[in-house]
Order: sequence, then C-alpha cells, then structure tokens
Amino acid sequence: DVKVTQSSRYLVKRTGEKVFLECVQDMDHENMFWYRQDPGLGLRLIYFSYDVKMKEKGDIPEGYSVSREKKERFSLILESASTNQTSMYLCASREGGGTEAFFGQGTRLTVV
Amino acid sequence: AQKITQTQPGMFVQEKEAVTLDCTYDTSDPSYGLFWYKQPSSGEMIFLIYQGSYDQQNATEGRYSLNFQKARKSANLVISASQLGDSAMYFCAMREGRLRGSNYKLTFGKGTLLTVNP
Repeated sequence: DVKVTQSSRYLVKRTGEKVFLECVQDMDHENMFWYRQDPGLGLRLIYFSYDVKMKEKGDIPEGYSVSREKKERFSLILESASTNQTSMYLCASREGGGTEAFFGQGTRLTVV
Repeated sequence: AQKITQTQPGMFVQEKEAVTLDCTYDTSDPSYGLFWYKQPSSGEMIFLIYQGSYDQQNATEGRYSLNFQKARKSANLVISASQLGDSAMYFCAMREGRLRGSNYKLTFGKGTLLTVNP
C-alpha cells in the first residue's frame, strides 16, 4: 500500500513563526503536491514538484515556499505564519504518468 | 476562471436511491483526465474513479460511474443504490498541463456535500 505521511495531524503556531510541514511518501513517486483546504473553497494547489529540486507554483503560492531535497520528502514552509494561513493542509503524491494521487491524512494548522 | 465547477454545495438522497453529482470543467488541452474523490468526515481523501479524455467508454467502478459528456465538458458522478456510508464530501478534479513528459498538476473543484438519509 502507498503511504503518504504528514508529520503532524494538528499544529498550533504563533503569528510570525516559521512553520515547516513535512510530507513523506514511500512509493518512489515523482510528483508531490501541497494543497490547502478551506470550507467552501475546496482544495487549492499551493505548490507541486515533479522531481527532486524541481518545483512549480500552484494557484496560491503567496506566503509559502517548498523544498524537495530528496525524492520521498516534500516540505511546505510558511516563512512568517499569519492568521489567514489557518487551514487544513493536504499533501499528495503520484507516480509520474500515473492517474491516482495518494493523499496524506492532513495537517490542521492554527495560527494564533 | 474556474477550471472545475461543482454547482451543488449540498445534496440529499434517500438510502438505496441513485444520485448524480455534477461537475463541469474547462480546459483547452486535448489530453486531460477527470477524477472523483470522496472525503468522509475523518478527512482522508479516497480515490473513486478516473476518466481519460480519450477513453471511449464511461468509467465504472462498482456502484460508481462517471457520465462523461465531452462536448458539454461535463463529468458527472453517479452513485447507484446509495448507502449511509456514502455520506461525505465529494470532489471532482482534473489533470492538465503536461510538463516534462507525463507530469501534470491536479486541480480540484469546491466539492459537494452528500448526505444519505435512512
């Protein structure tokens, strides 16, 4: 079974803190994604990566950066957390050329 | 412009009846794919069904079928014989934007909350 693991299920951070959300997949997938999910807005793509050190901006990259130094790990970084970044964050991975994307369990981040 | 439109924020259905969840999409890429995912209250995203733009027949997976109407750019999900466990949020998604071979991004709609009544 493909496993996508996000480092935390729940996280509370203070405004201005630097926040790291980690995602690890165990199936050697080329593609990895970070989404945020908000009620009434669905899933919005923040960043995606199609190879190590390769990244592309999604629809809402402002306030975020990413890092993919190893194939299995894709990190989302909030350089200076703000309250409007309170949300559910979902990581996903997919084999290059594959169809199904596999999701982690999500990280519910609260910025106070 | 929205790439994926789900016009039904919420739907109700009686147990054992069929229900159709609407999805329309917008793309100029001739090669694309459409997905449906289910998200129960526990939060995990569960892949249900996939339809490629060149597939000749509508996709089916058990009680799920995808009513693909290419000219209308619609990809509605049909759930037959609804069960109480089908109560969840349902997301339509599209792959597009071929990058470096076969890598592409996934774009999601806003979702439809389905409630199955006993």
